[in-house]
Amino acid sequence: AQSVAQPEDQVNVAEGNPLTVKCTYSVSGNPYLFWYVQYPNRGLQFLLKYITGDNLVKGSYGFEAEFNKSQTSFHLKKPSALVSDSALYFCAVRDLRFSGGYNKLIFGAGTRLAVHP
Amino acid sequence: GAGVSQTPSNKVTEKGKYVELRCDPISGHTALYWYRQSLGQGPEFLIYFQGTGAADDSGLPNDRFFAVRPEGSVSTLKIQRTERGDSAVYLCASNEGRTGELFFGEGSRLTVL
Repeated sequence: AQSVAQPEDQVNVAEGNPLTVKCTYSVSGNPYLFWYVQYPNRGLQFLLKYITGDNLVKGSYGFEAEFNKSQTSFHLKKPSALVSDSALYFCAVRDLRFSGGYNKLIFGAGTRLAVHP
Repeated sequence: GAGVSQTPSNKVTEKGKYVELRCDPISGHTALYWYRQSLGQGPEFLIYFQGTGAADDSGLPNDRFFAVRPEGSVSTLKIQRTERGDSAVYLCASNEGRTGELFFGEGSRLTVL
């Protein structure tokens, strides 16, 4: 079965420190992988995606993510956290074998990132 | 507008009532999606429209749920005989084609008492 796991409900980090938000996935075929962010009272916003090519993907607001096929992971990272990064982060996967060529995404449960001054 | 617009932003109804949730996608976006986000969970796929037709409605929970997009733009999600378990935030998203990132609205929060 296709699934996405975000093992941490919450990640706490001090401003200026590096941050990592973890994501692992399980699909039958090759994955498209996404990170979305949800600020309070705002809609989900796209951060970055992996489709093919370089395993390190760079996205919006200084975020990046590394695709690791052997570990089936797609962890979100940022070298230096900002208080304004505090939000709810969702990892999502699209199984290329079953998605029908459109964005039928499977989302993780989300990880709340809290960056403290 | 510049983004995906959803109305109402909040809807409180009683068990057994009928509700409609509206989504106005970004102009020119041919693909439209409905997702449902329950408390503490990630969004779950409900239905996908390409143009006017529902290309994939496999995520609709049961036959009380129905969605339309008659002119290939605005979509309405309809829920009949609402149940308390239908309480969630209903998210609409659109994009230009079949791939690429989705642009989400702020959602319609449905509470069934």
